[in-house]
Amino acid sequence: GNSVTQMEGPVTLSEEAFLTINCTYTATGYPSLFWYVQYPGEGLQLLLKATKADDKGSNKGFEATYRKETTSFHLEKGSVQVSDSAVYFCALSGNTDKLIFGTGTRLQVFP
Amino acid sequence: NAGVTQTPKFQVLKTGQSMTLQCAQDMNHEYMSWYRQDPGMGLRLIHYSVGAGITDQGEVPNGYNVSRSTTEDFPLRLLSAAPSQTSVYFCASSFPSGRGLGGYTFGSGTRLTVV
Repeated sequence: GNSVTQMEGPVTLSEEAFLTINCTYTATGYPSLFWYVQYPGEGLQLLLKATKADDKGSNKGFEATYRKETTSFHLEKGSVQVSDSAVYFCALSGNTDKLIFGTGTRLQVFP
Repeated sequence: NAGVTQTPKFQVLKTGQSMTLQCAQDMNHEYMSWYRQDPGMGLRLIHYSVGAGITDQGEVPNGYNVSRSTTEDFPLRLLSAAPSQTSVYFCASSFPSGRGLGGYTFGSGTRLTVV
């Protein structure tokens, strides 16, 4: 079945450092891919998405490119801020509205 | 304010008790779902609904019941609470796109402890 694998955290960075959070997936067909973010004490929010191979999703300085050849959707940001500290979830959907989530990666950014 | 409202925010139950977690949305979303979030396991789908009168099981449905009598409401019932159901529960809704492209709107969660 479909599944998502994320790198384990926590990821600890200093402010203005470069961020990469790895995400790989297993799916039949051509899934849609998502990154969601969860700030402390809140529900998840959609950060970005991509619907087909080579698409790049971007939002708030974050980017992720749908790589079908490596079945990956890594999240990147060039310069993180303390306010980016949160848990990040990679997710996919097949041909339904059901989302399958990865286990989440906690990001901690220090001044 | 438009969004997904979950109540209660916190709840402590004794083993064997029953309760209902409420979820309501005012965005006219047809698709609604319940997830539980556990450390190291991410979010796992419990039940979902593609519209009023239609529900289906997700990945971890045992011990939970749902119903969808209106578009707005999607309550989750625990019939006989067990310590293994200690978790944070999230309700989410979206417009149906067939591929999750509507983007989920999540509630702020219910933290449930079963003792």
